[in-house]
Amino acid sequence: QVVLTQSPSASASLGASVKLTCTLSSEYSTYAIAWHQQKPEKGPRYLMKVNNDGSHSKGDGIPDRFSGSSSGAERYLTISSLQSDDEADYYCQTWATGIDVVFGGGTKVTVL
Amino acid sequence: EVQLVESGGGLVQPGGPLRLSCVASGFSFSTYAMSWVRQAPGKGLEWVSAMFGTGGTTYYADSVKGRFTISRDNSKNTLYLQISSLRAEDTALYYCAKPKTARQSYDAFDVWGRGTMVTVSS
Repeated sequence: QVVLTQSPSASASLGASVKLTCTLSSEYSTYAIAWHQQKPEKGPRYLMKVNNDGSHSKGDGIPDRFSGSSSGAERYLTISSLQSDDEADYYCQTWATGIDVVFGGGTKVTVL
Repeated sequence: EVQLVESGGGLVQPGGPLRLSCVASGFSFSTYAMSWVRQAPGKGLEWVSAMFGTGGTTYYADSVKGRFTISRDNSKNTLYLQISSLRAEDTALYYCAKPKTARQSYDAFDVWGRGTMVTVSS
């Protein structure tokens, strides 16, 4: 079964950048993933899809401050010019016939 | 505007049944493989079940197989989740989710509903 590993927490100062990592288990290292943002007491919001080659396609209205990239089995979400409104949980998701849909454990981002 | 609206949650006794609904609007519902995803209080996201738009192929997480039944009525743009034999561990916020592309397979979820809360307690 594919596993997505995320660090439980990350923090950065207001106006700085933070880079979140989602690591795919080795046998699924070429899979695409999606990033979702979930603010307290809200449903998830789709941010972007990140492909194996690092290309990414963002959801409607997602600011340019959010970007995706990839290296090997790692998929990244970078948030630049961090704002207090970016405090949220961030989940990665992958999918395929045979493994269905899998989510990472989530990373809680704190803006200092 | 693409929208998903869930309903049907509530407080249910252990062992009881419940049916959740998700009404979709703003896109061609019948062409998408729709999913249910749940989130227990204070926990992460867990995919529960999916149903492809045509052909009706269904998929379930091992944790709910045999107790949950997903179905859809494309004429009503509605996705359902029939839950039987509810357990305390089924307590969660249940979300309906739409994939990014209209094909008979999985994809990134690009639209989520607000969820409907299911609480299992005596």
